[in-house]
Amino acid sequence: GESVGLHLPTLSVQEGDNSIINCAYSNSASDYFIWYKQESGKGPQFIIDIRSNMDKRQGQRVTVLLNKTVKHLSLQIAATQPGDSAVYFCAEGYTGANNLFFGTGTRLTVIP
Amino acid sequence: GAGVSQSPSNKVTEKGKDVELRCDPISGHTALYWYRQRLGQGLEFLIYFQGNSAPDKSGLPSDRFSAERTGESVSTLTIQRTQQEDSAVYLCASSQNTGLLETQYFGPGTRLLVL
Repeated sequence: GESVGLHLPTLSVQEGDNSIINCAYSNSASDYFIWYKQESGKGPQFIIDIRSNMDKRQGQRVTVLLNKTVKHLSLQIAATQPGDSAVYFCAEGYTGANNLFFGTGTRLTVIP
Repeated sequence: GAGVSQSPSNKVTEKGKDVELRCDPISGHTALYWYRQRLGQGLEFLIYFQGNSAPDKSGLPSDRFSAERTGESVSTLTIQRTQQEDSAVYLCASSQNTGLLETQYFGPGTRLLVL
């Protein structure tokens, strides 16, 4: 079955530093990956996605890297801000599936 | 436009009672999902609706759980004879087309507590 997990359940960074959140997946058939941010008491919010034909994608202050060889996904946040404090989830999907498979999440705490 | 809305935002019920949770997707979104999120955990897929196709119910944990959707609009998730282990946040998401390769937009969730 699918397995999406995170290497670190918690991460604390100083404001202004860069953050890197990692995620491992086990299904080699997965061809779509998403990062979501969930703030306390709210639903997950889409951050960025990447398809398996890419290995890097950039957004505003965020970059997602995909290494299909080792089935690893990472989210990089540049110049981390207090508003970035949240739980970050990676999720994977594959063609033919109807749903995404979510990891447990990493709690990012930004220290002012 | 408005995002995905869910009601109620919080629900406290007694063990054995039935509960009904509501989701209003983004207008025009044909795909709708229900997920369950237990405290400190990731999202667990429950059910998927796509247009007028038969729903994918493969994630429903037991026959106490059921969901309906009227066309491409409102969906209700019903939990019968609630148990304490049903306590969780129930999240609804919608997307424009087939769902998987489209961004899913989540509602704020309904926090269910079964006493």
